[in-house]
Amino acid sequence: QKEVEQNSGPLSVPEGAIASLNCTYSDRGSQSFFWYRQYSGKSPELIMSIYSNGDKEDGRFTAQLNKASQYVSLLIRDSQPSDSATYLCAVRGTGGFKTIFGAGTRLFVKA
Amino acid sequence: DTAVSQTPKYLVTQMGNDKSIKCEQNLGHDTMYWYKQDSKKFLKIMFSYNNKELIINETVPNRFSPKSPDKAHLNLHINSLELGDSAVYFCASSLDRDQETQYFGPGTRLLVL
Repeated sequence: QKEVEQNSGPLSVPEGAIASLNCTYSDRGSQSFFWYRQYSGKSPELIMSIYSNGDKEDGRFTAQLNKASQYVSLLIRDSQPSDSATYLCAVRGTGGFKTIFGAGTRLFVKA
Repeated sequence: DTAVSQTPKYLVTQMGNDKSIKCEQNLGHDTMYWYKQDSKKFLKIMFSYNNKELIINETVPNRFSPKSPDKAHLNLHINSLELGDSAVYFCASSLDRDQETQYFGPGTRLLVL
């Protein structure tokens, strides 16, 4: 079982729709969860972090965490073509200072 | 000003060669990382240094050797390059080893022929 799992996609949504990206993780003791965005040919950049169960909103982005289900998600409201990128879920587990990344979900927002 | 910089940006070389990638951060961070991202976009930690001390050393071939001359620099030397080493190598930094927000460099695209 992979430590952090994501559907590789591609996920295609029309402009203005809600994009929903999902991630599961295996280390039950994990405490820190992140979403990074990576445009093609570019480096990852942090867009959201979440540490407690529930929702955390930042502009058009909402991160949701359910530790009991070992599940974290990212919702993008009013999706724009500029949101087209690969979204990497990252989890800091209990094994030292390491952050484990998922393989990413490719998102396409169609104009 | 570039926060985390890497050189070179592109590296094309023959199998068996030795090459180095350099990384510098001007953020004043204590912790730096090397990641490898393969063709499937899987980003995997290789090494991490905190104030010049090695704190993460994942299972990578010993042909890969990191060096941190000071906390602003983390270099990666690769001996006897193999085809499977072709990937994008990202350097990153964080404020300290307990701060999880990481800032990534632009990446070095390595192609081994």
